[in-house]
Amino acid sequence: EIVLTQSPATLSLSPGERATLSCRASQSVSRSLAWFQQKPGQAPRLLIYDASNRATGIPARFSGSGSGTDFTLTISSLEPEDFAVYYCQQRSNWLFGQGTRLEIK
Amino acid sequence: QVQLVQSGAEVKKPGASVNVSCKASGYTFTAYYIHWVRQAPGQGLEWMGWINPNSGDTNFAQNFQGRVTMTRDTSISTAYVELSRLTSDDTAVYYCARGGNLSPWGQGTLVTVSS
Repeated sequence: EIVLTQSPATLSLSPGERATLSCRASQSVSRSLAWFQQKPGQAPRLLIYDASNRATGIPARFSGSGSGTDFTLTISSLEPEDFAVYYCQQRSNWLFGQGTRLEIK
Repeated sequence: QVQLVQSGAEVKKPGASVNVSCKASGYTFTAYYIHWVRQAPGQGLEWMGWINPNSGDTNFAQNFQGRVTMTRDTSISTAYVELSRLTSDDTAVYYCARGGNLSPWGQGTLVTVSS
């Protein structure tokens, strides 16, 4: 089965900085990868689908890139509300990565 | 607007079964798959499976094979997940989500398994 590995496990940054989150698949998933954001006590929210398409209502500071086995979620300039846990998921067997916690430095 | 509303929290004894519902509104229920995902306390997201509300076809994650059932009632636009032979490891928040892009999600249902 395809396994997704996210890195780093925790990322400590300050508001205004650029965040780069990685998701690596154990075998190619083409562009069938999504990114989700989850804040404490809330359900996850779709940010990016098909590797690089922003979901409805998602700010332009969020962008996704990659194909095959290596994917990146970039937040160009962190806002206070962006500090959360981020998960990637692929649509081959629907499994999630283990998550990256983005915390305030 | 598109919305998924789940049933309320449950407390179950080990060995029992639990049934969680997910009522859809704001779109054609049969047009989108429903996925079920759970999250144990302090842990990540675990995909459980999907149901095609149009046909009733299902697909489950290997971890849940033989212990999970997913059904739907198209007359009331509601999907259900039932998990049997519960153990303390099944204590989690259970979510439903719409379609291949898993958007939006229900608000979650806390299932606590405790003797």
